[in-house]
Amino acid sequence: DQQVKQNSPSLSVQEGRISILNCDYTNSMFDYFLWYKKYPAEGPTFLISISSIKDKNEDGRFTVFLNKSAKHLSLHIVPSQPGDSAVYFCAASAVNTNAGKSTFGDGTTLTVKP
Amino acid sequence: DAGVIQSPRHEVTEMGQEVTLRCKPISGHDYLFWYRQTMMRGLELLIYFNNNVPIDDSGMPEDRFSAKMPNASFSTLKIQPSEPRDSAVYFCASSQQGWGTEAFFGQGTRLTVV
Repeated sequence: DQQVKQNSPSLSVQEGRISILNCDYTNSMFDYFLWYKKYPAEGPTFLISISSIKDKNEDGRFTVFLNKSAKHLSLHIVPSQPGDSAVYFCAASAVNTNAGKSTFGDGTTLTVKP
Repeated sequence: DAGVIQSPRHEVTEMGQEVTLRCKPISGHDYLFWYRQTMMRGLELLIYFNNNVPIDDSGMPEDRFSAKMPNASFSTLKIQPSEPRDSAVYFCASSQQGWGTEAFFGQGTRLTVV
């Protein structure tokens, strides 16, 4: 049972436009969510996170939105840049209840075209 | 700090041989994680340690896999005997506070078992 799902394996956008990456989860005990970015031949690097007590967190060009009722979160990148081309992983964990391990989605490959 | 250091970066071995992957976490991080990434299963947690003690090894695929953390600055993941289906990229990561906080990943070890 995959508790964190990224249903779009790939996404292609034009430079300067918005990139929206989506993530769905099934475990209602998850209360902390993170996005990681991964370049080829490197390990994932942390990008941005959000606690379940919030519905939005912003860091520069990156904004994460959380919809708890829909068990859905999204990462918005505005404006998109060619250097953003990478694989993006969504991860979720149950920090307060310790009821579940941090679980990663399968990733979405973002390609930003110049 | 140089970040999480993994060695070797690449390992090619014959089926049946013992393989040892090494990891040096970031100094001061109390949590250490071993992940495996494959095309079929994505990024999956194998085991994690807190203060050098294994906490959850339920992700370890079978008894051929073992992990140790003899001190705060070193961990090993051993596969004995190795099989072709063990071929994957193995990541080590560390974090200060475990779940819900960002984890810092090493560059990974690409293991090929022929």
